[in-house]
Amino acid sequence: TQLLEQSPQFLSIQEGENLTVYCNSSSVFSSLQWYRQEPGEGPVLLVTVVTGGEVKKLKRLTFQFGDARKDSSLHITAAQPGDTGLYLCAGRGRLGTSGSRLTFGEGTQLTVNP
Amino acid sequence: NAGVMQNPRHLVRRRGQEARLRCSPMKGHSHVYWYRQLPEEGLKFMVYLQKENIIDESGMPKERFSAEFPKEGPSILRIQQVVRGDSAAYFCASSPGSGTQYFGPGTRLLVL
Repeated sequence: TQLLEQSPQFLSIQEGENLTVYCNSSSVFSSLQWYRQEPGEGPVLLVTVVTGGEVKKLKRLTFQFGDARKDSSLHITAAQPGDTGLYLCAGRGRLGTSGSRLTFGEGTQLTVNP
Repeated sequence: NAGVMQNPRHLVRRRGQEARLRCSPMKGHSHVYWYRQLPEEGLKFMVYLQKENIIDESGMPKERFSAEFPKEGPSILRIQQVVRGDSAAYFCASSPGSGTQYFGPGTRLLVL
């Protein structure tokens, strides 16, 4: 059973298009983190969202944490080839686990074609 | 300010050998986590350590795997008598407390 479901799993778009990646769970998390991972490298932190309903912007990326702290979304405006990568959401502090472990989704592989 | 360091970056072992993976956390970070990423799968939590203490090892296989984070030196993830199914990327992350985790570049283990 996958505790964090990411969708879509694969996404291939043209440069300049907008896109949204979703991260859903039936569990409540104390915070949620988004990472980007390049081939052969470790995940690089993009943002941490903590408060239900919170919205954070990072240049062309907008992150939202659901009101109930069970889901999150990542929206990219005017995607560029440099945005290509594996996007991972990870929830922290799921009820029933030790507070610090991260539960990862399986990722969204984004390809932005020039 | 150096990030999380892991070595080796690549490790090849034959079945039955031992693998030792090292992780040096970011400066000032006293919490270390190990995750495993199997081919075509997401990252899975293995173990959470603080200096000289294992806090949560619920994600680590009961046999052949062990982890430590001594008072001095890096954290070590040790896999004894490796099997082909152990082939994966092993990532270490560190945090200053129980906050945001920062990941290292990983060790790619290949078992022949």
